[in-house]
Amino acid sequence: DGGITQSPKYLFRKEGQNVTLSCEQNLNHDAMYWYRQDPGQGLRLIYYSQIVNDFQKGDIAEGYSVSREKKESFPLTVTSAQKNPTAFYLCASRVTESSNQPQHFGDGTRLSIL
Amino acid sequence: AQKITQTQPGMFVQEKEAVTLDCTYDTSDQSYGLFWYKQPSSGEMIFLIYQGSYDEQNATEGRYSLNFQKARKSANLVISASQLGDSAMYFCAMRDTSYGKLTFGQGTILTVHP
Repeated sequence: DGGITQSPKYLFRKEGQNVTLSCEQNLNHDAMYWYRQDPGQGLRLIYYSQIVNDFQKGDIAEGYSVSREKKESFPLTVTSAQKNPTAFYLCASRVTESSNQPQHFGDGTRLSIL
Repeated sequence: AQKITQTQPGMFVQEKEAVTLDCTYDTSDQSYGLFWYKQPSSGEMIFLIYQGSYDEQNATEGRYSLNFQKARKSANLVISASQLGDSAMYFCAMRDTSYGKLTFGQGTILTVHP
């Protein structure tokens, strides 16, 4: 079955540590997205990528970094510069050829501070 | 800038009854797309329904329908014959036509009572 796989499901970060969240898709989608969700809130866009080797900042990119070396993969690094990283992180992808296609989401990663 | 407003933090409905979840939006774009997603307590985002700004008919998908009133900039979700499994958080979202980015509302928690 095609889909989006996020790992790990739960992640703990120590002060001053960088951590990387994995996102892999086998849907052959060109575009990929990272969102952050705080408790009881909507999703906010961190970074997005339309094609391999290209990505843009979203609304809350500070303290995060991404790479897009392969079409299937879009890892997110939460750096030590992100002072409040505790949140639920969701990765999504979509086809770009048709405007009415929805974003498909992974199951998310819950990040907490130790 | 695009903005989505969901004014109902929580809604309650009796099983088998219909319920309307409100969504208003603000955009200066002529072409845009509106989506509704369901997020159960487990966290995954499930796509429900899509409405394009130029679609003349209101979208329907099974028990879900979208009451699209373009002049009022509203895109309310109607769930008919509510089921216990419909209890979840519901998000309205608008898509940026350039890069497919989604702007989300704050969400509405729906609780279905037996």
